[in-house]
Amino acid sequence: DGGITQSPKYLFRKEGQNVTLSCEQNLNHDAMYWYRQDPGQGLRLIYYSQIVNDFQKGDIAEGYSVSREKKESFPLTVTSAQKNPTAFYLCASSIQWGYNEQFFGPGTRLTVL
Amino acid sequence: QQPVQSPQAVILREGEDAVINCSSSKALYSVHWYRQKHGEAPVFLMILLKGGEQKGHEKISASFNEKKQQSSLYLTASQLSYSGTYFCGTEGGSARQLTFGSGTQLTVLP
Repeated sequence: DGGITQSPKYLFRKEGQNVTLSCEQNLNHDAMYWYRQDPGQGLRLIYYSQIVNDFQKGDIAEGYSVSREKKESFPLTVTSAQKNPTAFYLCASSIQWGYNEQFFGPGTRLTVL
Repeated sequence: QQPVQSPQAVILREGEDAVINCSSSKALYSVHWYRQKHGEAPVFLMILLKGGEQKGHEKISASFNEKKQQSSLYLTASQLSYSGTYFCGTEGGSARQLTFGSGTQLTVLP
């Protein structure tokens, strides 16, 4: 079955530590995205990648980093520079960048202790 | 700029209808609609493109007024499974990234 997987589902981190969230898709999609969702809020774009080996900052990129070395993988690192990292993180993909439906993974809930 | 959704919340009885609105202050090329259940990923419902093209689930209907930069999602004969938070996302201008509204919480009661 094609889809997007994110791991882990729940993640706990101590303040000051970097942590990497995994996102893998087997849909053969070119574009991939990372969103952050806070309680009662909509989704805010952190980073996006239109194609492998390319990525761009979204609206709230500060304190985050990404890589896109393989078409199917788009890991997100939450660095210690992110002042309020506790949130629900969603990865998504679409067949191409722009004007296409996005398919979301199940999400990772990150809690900073 | 974030689109504005209304209402923020709505409670229905099974079988009743609802309309959720989404408006933007900028010219739009497309409007997306997603539904999210608590703690789960958003699920795609529909995309409406400038020029009239639509893609989505057969049982969902929506409109897109390009001149007013507004879209409405129509939920008819609601079922319990329709409960969740509905988000609109808009694409427009030179930036083709999707910007989401803050959501409309829909509760369908038996």
